[in-house]
Amino acid sequence: QKEVEQNSGPLSVPEGAIASLNCTYSDRGSQSFFWYRQYSGKSPELIMFIYSNGDKEDGRFTAQLNKASQYVSLLIRDSQPSDSATYLCAAGADNFNKFYFGSGTKLNVKP
Amino acid sequence: EAGVTQSPTHLIKTRGQQATLRCSPISGHTSVYWYQQALGLGLQFLLWYDEGEERNRGNFPPRFSGRQFPNYSSELNVNALELEDSALYLCASSLGLAGEPGTGELFFGEGSRLTVL
Repeated sequence: QKEVEQNSGPLSVPEGAIASLNCTYSDRGSQSFFWYRQYSGKSPELIMFIYSNGDKEDGRFTAQLNKASQYVSLLIRDSQPSDSATYLCAAGADNFNKFYFGSGTKLNVKP
Repeated sequence: EAGVTQSPTHLIKTRGQQATLRCSPISGHTSVYWYQQALGLGLQFLLWYDEGEERNRGNFPPRFSGRQFPNYSSELNVNALELEDSALYLCASSLGLAGEPGTGELFFGEGSRLTVL
């Protein structure tokens, strides 16, 4: 079982719609969760982090965390073609000695 | 403030040769992480250095090694290169420990693309 699992996609949404990206994690001791955006051929860019159960909003992005279900999600409102990228979900290990990265979900936003 | 910087951007080697990749973390960050990302694949954890010491290592053979210098910069060495070592090598740094709430966010450099012929 992988420590962080994501649907590889691609997830296709029309411009202006809400994109919903999900991931699950296996380490119950993980305390921090991150979403990275990676454009093709580029390095990952941190866009959101969340530590507590519930929602955290930053502009068009909302991260949601449910520790009981070991579930993290990222909502992108008013999706734009420039949001088309691979989104990586990551969790910190409970002993803070590594990050677990998911394999990423490819998002396509169609004009 | 400068981000994580990596060099070289691109590197072409032949099988059996050695490659050295370099990384400078964000100023004030003491932890440096190395990841390998083969084309179309996810990030694979290679190494973690903190305060000059190797703290954790991923599931890679010993020919992948590195070190961290007193100024917290780091280099990754790959010996006896194989074709499957062709990948984007990413360096990241953090202020605190990986995933530690408040300080454990990882920030990535632009990567070094290694091609082994």
